[in-house]
Amino acid sequence: RKEVEQDPGPFNVPEGATVAFNCTYSNSASQSFFWYRQDCRKEPKLLMSVYSSGNEDGRFTAQLNRASQYISLLIRDSKLSDSATYLCVVPRGGFQKLVFGTGTRLLVSP
Amino acid sequence: EADIYQTPRYLVIGTGKKITLECSQTMGHDKMYWYQQDPGMELHLIHYSYGVNSTEKGDLSSESTVSRIRTEHFPLTLESARPSHTSQYLCASSEPGQEASIGQFFGPGTRLTVL
Repeated sequence: RKEVEQDPGPFNVPEGATVAFNCTYSNSASQSFFWYRQDCRKEPKLLMSVYSSGNEDGRFTAQLNRASQYISLLIRDSKLSDSATYLCVVPRGGFQKLVFGTGTRLLVSP
Repeated sequence: EADIYQTPRYLVIGTGKKITLECSQTMGHDKMYWYQQDPGMELHLIHYSYGVNSTEKGDLSSESTVSRIRTEHFPLTLESARPSHTSQYLCASSEPGQEASIGQFFGPGTRLTVL
C-alpha cells in the first residue's frame, strides 16, 4: 500500500460548484498534514495545514479523520483560478521528510 | 512569497556533460531538500540536508550528489548526464519548529532535458 493515495482525477466541475477530494494515508502515527496546490509546470505551494480535526480558510475546508486515516479537501464556490493539481502531503518521522501523493487534478470550467 | 531561487530554470544538455543545478534561499532555513518530479507524477525526495556539512540521500535513488557548505546554498551535481536524468528538479527549504504550520517552501524548479 502506498503511504499516501489520492484519486488522480481529473475532476471536471462548473464554476460555482462544490468539490471534495479525499486522501488516505498509511502511517497511523502521522499528526499533521498538508494540502499543497501545484499549477502546471510550477512549484507546489502550501494551501493549508491540517491538524486536530480540520482547518478552514475561506472557501477551502480540510478535514481529518484519524480513525479511517483520511484527509479531505472541500472547495466551495469553485473559481476558474482553482484549476490546478492538489497534493496531499504527509510528514514522516516527525517532520524529517514529507511524502507527497500523486495529486488530484481539478478543472473548473465556465 | 518564499525567497528560494533556482538556476537555471531550463537546461538542455547533451549526454555525458557535467551539470550543477543551483539552489539558494535567503530565509536562513536550516533544512533544505531536492525533489525530482516527472510529468504527472508525484515528487520524490532525492537529497536533504539539516544544516551545513550535513547531507543525506532521500527515498529515490539518484546518481546526483549534493553539498552544503553554506546555509543558504544547496547545489546538486550530475557528473555525467544521461537521458534518464530528464526531469524537473525542485529545491525546497523549511525551518525546524515551524514545519507543522508552514511546511516547506519550494523554488521554481529546474527543468532538465538530456539529449
